[in-house]
Amino acid sequence: KAGVTQTPRYLIKTRGQQVTLSCSPISGHRSVSWYQQTPGQGLQFLFEYFSETQRNKGNFPGRFSGRQFSNSRSEMNVSTLELGDSALYLCASSPGGYSGNTIYFGEGSWLTVV
Amino acid sequence: DAKTTQPPSMDCAEGRAANLPCNHSTISGNEYVYWYRQIHSQGPQYIIHGLKNNETNEMASLIITEDRKSSTLILPHATLRDTAVYYCIVRVEGTDSWGKLQFGAGTQVVVTP
Repeated sequence: KAGVTQTPRYLIKTRGQQVTLSCSPISGHRSVSWYQQTPGQGLQFLFEYFSETQRNKGNFPGRFSGRQFSNSRSEMNVSTLELGDSALYLCASSPGGYSGNTIYFGEGSWLTVV
Repeated sequence: DAKTTQPPSMDCAEGRAANLPCNHSTISGNEYVYWYRQIHSQGPQYIIHGLKNNETNEMASLIITEDRKSSTLILPHATLRDTAVYYCIVRVEGTDSWGKLQFGAGTQVVVTP
């Protein structure tokens, strides 16, 4: 069974640009969450989607957004990039519908903003 | 969710057991203890979780004290590939946060030859 797949793995963007990251969850999983990891702040929860609806959101500015498609695949978008947005962005999936389900992570997308 | 406290770092000799402590003194009755690890530059990897009873799987064992205020993750025979940051997380069941985990700073484990 394939794991959580994230694309692209590495990308470099310029300040002010926007970026879209993609995530394909484990087959059958309907909950997709996104996390940001930086050296200073550690792993922080961005948002969670289930059945194309955002269910939870972390404490991030509105420049960070996401969506989920009917096949459970998800994208996150960061607009007007800042240097501080340089980070590892992680996608995680779980079956959803129950908070006791194990959450599985992808390998992440490394974003560098220059 | 309850907060956890872990030592920032620990060393372990290859082939020996690694015992990683975690304190969660404010844990509630419906909160599970989860362990993940993150090898450098990779996504966190699920290891094991438990509520009250000790648990074992192919990767590790989880020992939870009777009062549930602390737990220990045991890697029975550490290898160099076990070098990683290990995160202990408590997670409430029955809430609507299906995909949300609160990570602390974790314990950097270095396995040496």
